[in-house]
Amino acid sequence: GAVVSQHPSWVICKSGTSVKIECRSLDFQATTMFWYRQFPKQSLMLMATSNEGSKATYEQGVEKDKFLINHASLTLSTLTVTSAHPEDSSFYICSARIHRTYEQYFGPGTRLTVT
Amino acid sequence: QKEVEQDPGPLSVPEGAIVSLNCTYSNSAFQYFMWYRQYSRKGPELLMYTYSSGNKEDGRFTAQVDKSSKYISLFIRDSQPSDSATYLCAMSGGTDKLIFGTGTRLQVFP
Repeated sequence: GAVVSQHPSWVICKSGTSVKIECRSLDFQATTMFWYRQFPKQSLMLMATSNEGSKATYEQGVEKDKFLINHASLTLSTLTVTSAHPEDSSFYICSARIHRTYEQYFGPGTRLTVT
Repeated sequence: QKEVEQDPGPLSVPEGAIVSLNCTYSNSAFQYFMWYRQYSRKGPELLMYTYSSGNKEDGRFTAQVDKSSKYISLFIRDSQPSDSATYLCAMSGGTDKLIFGTGTRLQVFP
């Protein structure tokens, strides 16, 4: 099946520092990847859509300068949380869409805690 | 009104029961329908992917889509304690975005 990995699975950082989260499609090429945020007991909130080789499209209310997304290849997208603050603490999940379908496969998620 | 409505539950059933999970939607442009299972502190896992109306079966899971009623269902036969999770419906009208339901928490007790 289609497998998406995320690294790290859990990260703690200090307020003011930056954190990078990697998302990889392991057995398929993903021209489109997505980044979501999820708060406890809530559904997924789409943050941005990234297409390989082009700038990400951010959802309304998501600060593009704070959440930097780079989709450098057909199997890798990264999310960098810059100048992290405690309110950025959350569960971040990426997904990748199989080319020419609407099937999205999700990574296992990254739990970010900002102290 | 939300584009996708899903009963949050929790839904509690005994092991072996047939579980019915449902979503309704308002956007007639939706054509692609998915069901995901999410365990606590994990990413969602794609269970079923269907296009347009009809039924699709995979093992103990059956997905139904009724576009005329704007209603989709996921049936789980012979439910197991390991099926205890949150089930999310999701749909797309042919754009990049998936629109998710809020999720239904299911608990299957032995």
